[in-house]
Amino acid sequence: EDKVVQSPLSLVVHEGDTVTLNCSYEVTNFRSLLWYKQEKKAPTFLFMLTSSGIEKKSGRLSSILDKKELSSILNITATQTGDSAIYLCAVERGSTLGRLYFGRGTQLTVWP
Amino acid sequence: GAGVSQTPSNKVTEKGKYVELRCDPISGHTALYWYRQSLGQGPEFLIYFQGTGAADDSGLPNDRFFAVRPEGSVSTLKIQRTERGDSAVYLCASSLSAGGYNEQFFGPGTRLTVL
Repeated sequence: EDKVVQSPLSLVVHEGDTVTLNCSYEVTNFRSLLWYKQEKKAPTFLFMLTSSGIEKKSGRLSSILDKKELSSILNITATQTGDSAIYLCAVERGSTLGRLYFGRGTQLTVWP
Repeated sequence: GAGVSQTPSNKVTEKGKYVELRCDPISGHTALYWYRQSLGQGPEFLIYFQGTGAADDSGLPNDRFFAVRPEGSVSTLKIQRTERGDSAVYLCASSLSAGGYNEQFFGPGTRLTVL
């Protein structure tokens, strides 16, 4: 059975801290891995990763994929209260194009 | 439109009733997806359309669930004989097309509560 597992499930930090969120997957015919940020209801797209070892960066956020370890990490440096959200990891398989398999998410809370 | 829109934002219904949830995708996006998210869980795939046709409906839990996209734009998710277990947030997403490494853009969802 295909699985996407995120850890930790929840994390509480103070402003200015750096956090690392983890996503591991066990799927057949892997195609891409995506990270989303979910505040309230609508997930918003952060990154799409398809190749191992290539870091994607946007401001204080960065992510990298390790196909050998079947995992990805999302790093957030100098956290701010506005980073508080659920961070979702999803995987797309080549045999089921379009369909995303999501993990349960990591609930990040940043205290001032 | 500027983003994916969904109506209603909240829907409360009684067990056994019929409901329709609407999704208006980003203009020009040919692929449209429906997901369901229960509390504390990630979104769970239901169905996706490429144009007017359902390209993959394998996530629909049973035959009480049905979705249409007759003109290749707006989509309606229909749930017959609702059950309390159907209570969840129903998310719609769209992308330029499926299969082209195009990210999916999500709407704000419809929170369905079945009493």
